[in-house]
Amino acid sequence: KAGVTQTPRYLIKTRGQQVTLSCSPISGHRSVSWYQQTPGQGLQFLFEYFSETQRNKGNFPGRFSGRQFSNSRSEMNVSTLELGDSALYLCASSPRTGSYGYTFGSGTRLTVV
Amino acid sequence: AQSVTQLGSHVSVSEGALVLLRCNYSSSVPPYLFWYVQYPNQGLQLLLKYTTGATLVKGINGFEAEFKKSETSFHLTKPSAHMSDAAEYFCAVSDRGGNKLVFGAGTILRVKS
Repeated sequence: KAGVTQTPRYLIKTRGQQVTLSCSPISGHRSVSWYQQTPGQGLQFLFEYFSETQRNKGNFPGRFSGRQFSNSRSEMNVSTLELGDSALYLCASSPRTGSYGYTFGSGTRLTVV
Repeated sequence: AQSVTQLGSHVSVSEGALVLLRCNYSSSVPPYLFWYVQYPNQGLQLLLKYTTGATLVKGINGFEAEFKKSETSFHLTKPSAHMSDAAEYFCAVSDRGGNKLVFGAGTILRVKS
């Protein structure tokens, strides 16, 4: 059974650019969540999608957005990148909404220069 | 609001010794509690979770944790440390039926030979 797949694994972008990260959940999982991990702030919740609807959102500026497709795949977008957006972005999936033990992907390491 | 405190950002044990990683939580509602492990350049792997029922929870790789409501604690233990246990460990809390994990700052476990 394939796990949670995140692409790309590594990404380097310039300040002011935008970036899109992709997440394919485990087959049959309909809930996808995104987290940002930085040395200073630790692991922080970005948002959760279930059945193509955003169910919950963390305390991040509007530059951070996401969406979920009918096949449960999810993308997150960060516009007008700042140096502080450099982080490991983790996607997690679960069969349904509610934290019953999410399975995490290996993450996308974003570096903003 | 929920929060998690992990006592000790770094813990060092000898191979074969007891592993004890401390986690205290704050929650205004009965919580779900989780322990995750992260190896370098990897995502998070679920070790164990407490949702309802038995307060002593057994997880993978010989780890277990006990939910103590009176102490608002969920400490992680393993009777005998192995070199492969060296990693960073995160305690997390969620409200029941919630869709967001709140993580502690993490504890880096070092295992000495």
